[in-house]
Amino acid sequence: GNSVTQMEGPVTLSEEAFLTINCTYTATGYPSLFWYVQYPGEGLQLLLKATKADDKGSNKGFEATYRKETTSFHLEKGSVQVSDSAVYFCALHGTGNQFYFGTGTSLTVIP
Amino acid sequence: DTGVSQDPRHKITKRGQNVTFRCDPISEHNRLYWYRQTLGQGPEFLTYFQNEAQLEKSRLLSDRFSAERPKGSFSTLEIQRTEQGDSAMYLCASSLVEGLNTEAFFGQGTRLTVV
Repeated sequence: GNSVTQMEGPVTLSEEAFLTINCTYTATGYPSLFWYVQYPGEGLQLLLKATKADDKGSNKGFEATYRKETTSFHLEKGSVQVSDSAVYFCALHGTGNQFYFGTGTSLTVIP
Repeated sequence: DTGVSQDPRHKITKRGQNVTFRCDPISEHNRLYWYRQTLGQGPEFLTYFQNEAQLEKSRLLSDRFSAERPKGSFSTLEIQRTEQGDSAMYLCASSLVEGLNTEAFFGQGTRLTVV
């Protein structure tokens, strides 16, 4: 079956620190992979995506590389800002035509 | 286009009442999803439509839940005889499925509180 496992939070970082949020997946076939971000009281916003192995998704300084050999899609950012404080969800879309989400990782960035 | 729109944003209802939520997808999108999200969890899939056809509904939580998408445009999610355990955020998403492009755009959700 399909599933996504994310590192548990919460994560607290100082501004300008390096961020890594780990994500691994289990899937049949060749899923597309996504990172979504959710700000308090809001719906999910697409942050970045990758549709095949070795693709790198990037947006707003965030990056993630689709690693088929390790079934991973870790999210990274070199220098976080206070405005990056949110909950981050790793997701896959594969067989069954639905999105499977991880449980989310809460990030707080302190000045 | 203003994106996926959901109405209402908040709903408080008494246990046993019926509620209906509406979702207006991005206009050219052919696929529409409903998800439920409880506090501290990721979204949980409920059902989806391809145009007006409901292609997967086995994940609806019980027979009290039903969804429609008449004419392949807006969609409604109805919960009958609400229970306190139904309290959650209900999210709608839409996508234009073309080849490998499957990214979904989410609405801001409807927060349901059953008292």
